[in-house]
Amino acid sequence: GAGVSQSPSNKVTEKGKDVELRCDPISGHTALYWYRQRLGQGLEFLIYFQGNSAPDKSGLPSDRFSAERTGESVSTLTIQRTQQEDSAVYLCASSQALTSASTGELFFGEGSRLTVL
Amino acid sequence: AQSVTQLDSQVPVFEEAPVELRCNYSSSVSVYLFWYVQYPNQGLQLLLKYLSGSTLVKGINGFEAEFNKSQTSFHLRKPSVHISDTAEYFCAVSDHNQGGKLIFGQGTELSVKP
Repeated sequence: GAGVSQSPSNKVTEKGKDVELRCDPISGHTALYWYRQRLGQGLEFLIYFQGNSAPDKSGLPSDRFSAERTGESVSTLTIQRTQQEDSAVYLCASSQALTSASTGELFFGEGSRLTVL
Repeated sequence: AQSVTQLDSQVPVFEEAPVELRCNYSSSVSVYLFWYVQYPNQGLQLLLKYLSGSTLVKGINGFEAEFNKSQTSFHLRKPSVHISDTAEYFCAVSDHNQGGKLIFGQGTELSVKP
């Protein structure tokens, strides 16, 4: 597609259940980010994939959170044993590598709104 | 590690008035700086960016920002705002040594009133 696609757009789950969020980046974009945006707050960095380099997982809040990316395509963010504080919009973004030929602008998806009851 | 501070969480302003949204960053190395905007019920989009060269950068919708290295600031300005500028504005930084990892500030909610 033309933009970053995320699914599901909305997810309501019960505390303790596992959830999986999916992101399809723009074709050709080597970098992929996951951010979390809690209601009324800023963007909290979670994880960053850049090409074949090891992902930067420094933002993952606990070991219940994990993410994978297949090559330079789809990424999945998995939250195990969800808690109410995990309720947020999870945003995915992709970009070309930041080089002299690319500005590294991030293109964001519409987000996946997670509600944990 | 880099960090970003947006000093104002909310900025109310009247239509056609000037506005400045403040952003300060902390980094031990050279940085790239960005402003993103999130209109109500929409995704984030790039407003403007500083990578190198002229410290005054111009973006979409009449916004501009000035990179001040000595003050580690990248304030966003517009001389005359419109109702349609009502949105959440995010400042972001990435440093040259972290391969483009982008860290965002907490956001500033700009509310333009008639």
